[in-house]
Amino acid sequence: KQEVTQIPAALSVPEGENLVLNCSFTDSAIYNLQWFRQDPGKGLTSLLLIQSSQREQTSGRLNASLDKSSGRSTLYIAASQPGDSATYLCAVRPSNYGQNFVFGPGTRLSVLP
Amino acid sequence: GAGVSQTPSNKVTEKGKYVELRCDPISGHTALYWYRQSLGQGPEFLIYFQGTGAADDSGLPNDRFFAVRPEGSVSTLKIQRTERGDSAVYLCASSTEGNSPLHFGNGTRLTVT
Repeated sequence: KQEVTQIPAALSVPEGENLVLNCSFTDSAIYNLQWFRQDPGKGLTSLLLIQSSQREQTSGRLNASLDKSSGRSTLYIAASQPGDSATYLCAVRPSNYGQNFVFGPGTRLSVLP
Repeated sequence: GAGVSQTPSNKVTEKGKYVELRCDPISGHTALYWYRQSLGQGPEFLIYFQGTGAADDSGLPNDRFFAVRPEGSVSTLKIQRTERGDSAVYLCASSTEGNSPLHFGNGTRLTVT
């Protein structure tokens, strides 16, 4: 059974810092991995989707990498801003367990002005 | 264009009552997912529809939970004889086929008193 973990559970940084969020998954046989952002009381907003054949994806100040063999993905946020404060979740689409995504518990990020 | 719409945004019901939660996906999205999210946790898969049929309902916790998508668009999640443990945010997501991103609604916060 696929399991997804995220470390740290919470992170607080001063504005302007670059930071890395980590996601680990137990089964390397995946179709893709997606990073989401969730603001309090809201649904999830898709940030980046990495296919199993890709090693990274970039969008603006965000860069996500994927290392399938080690079961890891990282989300790099450059020049963090207070508006980046939110919970960041990763989710993997397993190859052998149907079509659903398996989510990690998220990392709660606070960017202090 | 319009995103995924979920109604109601909040629902308070008494233990033992029946509730229906509605999801209106993005037009043209054939895949529809229901997830349940408890405080501080990542979303937990409930059911996945491809068109009108439930392709994977392995996440439904018991037979009190049922979901339909009769015309391949709007979906309704139905919970019978609600229990306090059913209290959570119920999230709906849709996507096109294949390796495409999930798009989430803002969820329905269900509180069973």
